[in-house]
Amino acid sequence: GAVVSQHPSRVICKSGTSVKIECRSLDFQATTMFWYRQFPKQSLMLMATSNEGSKATYEQGVEKDKFLINHASLTLSTLTVTSAHPEDSSFYICSARPGLAELYNEQFFGPGTRLTVL
Amino acid sequence: QKEVEQDPGPLSVPEGAIVSLNCTYSNSAFQYFMWYRQYSRKGPELLMYTYSSGNKEDGRFTAQVDKSSKYISLFIRDSQPSDSATYLCAMRRGNEKLTFGTGTRLTIIP
Repeated sequence: GAVVSQHPSRVICKSGTSVKIECRSLDFQATTMFWYRQFPKQSLMLMATSNEGSKATYEQGVEKDKFLINHASLTLSTLTVTSAHPEDSSFYICSARPGLAELYNEQFFGPGTRLTVL
Repeated sequence: QKEVEQDPGPLSVPEGAIVSLNCTYSNSAFQYFMWYRQYSRKGPELLMYTYSSGNKEDGRFTAQVDKSSKYISLFIRDSQPSDSATYLCAMRRGNEKLTFGTGTRLTIIP
C-alpha cells in the first residue's frame, strides 16, 4: 500500500516549452501533496505544498507563475513548468500525505521525474 | 547553520558490518523523525518513522532518537550490498513541512 506514481519518469524538451508532470496516489487519498526538486548529489528542496481544492503554498524563492501546481483531486496533483529553460533541468519528486489518521504522519514519495531542457 | 546536519559521506563498509548513520538538528520543536533510503535516480523510500525520543526496530534497521542531545541515528545490521544507497534523515514539527538532511551516500562492499 501507500504507492505514489509520477508520470512521465523522464522528459526532454526544448527551451521555452511547458512541461506537465503528474503525481498520483494510487491506493490512498492524499490531503496534502508536496513537490520537491533535487540536484545531483544534493538533498531534496521543497518547492511547494498543495492541499486538495486550494491554492499551493510556495517556498521562498520559488516562482509560482513558473511552477504551476494544481491539486484538483485527492489522488492527483500536477506540476507544470512553464517556459522551461536549461536551468530548470532537475529531478522533480512529489510526495503525498494520507488523510487517514493512522498514516497521517507519514509521507510517501513518488519515483521522480527527470527533466532535461535543451 | 543548517537546521539539520548530516555527513554526506561517502561511507564504505564491508558486507556484514554494522552501519551507523547520524543526524544532528538544532530545532528542539521537531517531533517526528524519519529515515528515507534513496537509490540512484529514484524517489526516497520511507524506512523508519519515530515520534519523539526512543528506539524503534524493524528487521535489520534500528532508529534511535535522543531529543535531549538533538541527535538521531539509524543502524543497519548485517549490511548487504543492496543497502547501498543514499540515506536521508528528515524531521518535522506537527503538520509542518519536512526538513531533510543532505543525505549520506553508503556503499556496502561485497
